[in-house]
Amino acid sequence: GDSVTQMEGPVTLSEEAFLTINCTYTATGYPSLFWYVQYPGEGLQLLLKATKADDKGSNKGFEATYRKETTSFHLEKGSVQVSDSAVYFCALSTDSWGKLQFGAGTQVVVTP
Amino acid sequence: EAGVVQSPRYKIIEKKQPVAFWCNPISGHNTLYWYLQNLGQGPELLIRYENEEAVDDSQLPKDRFSAERLKGVDSTLKIQPAELGDSAVYLCASSPGTDTDTQYFGPGTRLTVL
Repeated sequence: GDSVTQMEGPVTLSEEAFLTINCTYTATGYPSLFWYVQYPGEGLQLLLKATKADDKGSNKGFEATYRKETTSFHLEKGSVQVSDSAVYFCALSTDSWGKLQFGAGTQVVVTP
Repeated sequence: EAGVVQSPRYKIIEKKQPVAFWCNPISGHNTLYWYLQNLGQGPELLIRYENEEAVDDSQLPKDRFSAERLKGVDSTLKIQPAELGDSAVYLCASSPGTDTDTQYFGPGTRLTVL
């Protein structure tokens, strides 16, 4: 079945450091790929998405490129802030109704 | 615009007791989802509604879980009786139906079963 694997956390880094969170997937067909973010005490929010190979999703300084050849969708940000501390979830959807398959989440902690 | 509203935010009950969670989706959103999120894991879909119709409930443990969305707006998820293993966060999400890939999540209800 479909699945998403993302790097384990917590990832701890200093403000202004470069962030990468690895995400790989297994899916039949051609999934849409997503990154969701969950700030403390809040619901999940869509951060970015890509619907076909080589698409790049971007938002709030975060980027991820849909790599079909490596079945990956790694999340990157060039300079993190303390406010980026959150749990990040990679997800895919192969269902026209939008059924999401999530990874386990990666906690990111940014220190001043 | 108000987001997805869920209540209660926290619930502590004894095992074998019933419990219910309520969700009010974003106005105009036809599709509603209930997810279960265990500690340290990603959300897992329990049930999806298109208006009043449950179109995907294959992951809902029907022996103890039930859900309804009577008027195609608010929804209630119920557990009866609750078990220790039901301790988790229950998330509700909605989407407009025109772009079903983008789901908007509520803050969740954290259930603790003692």
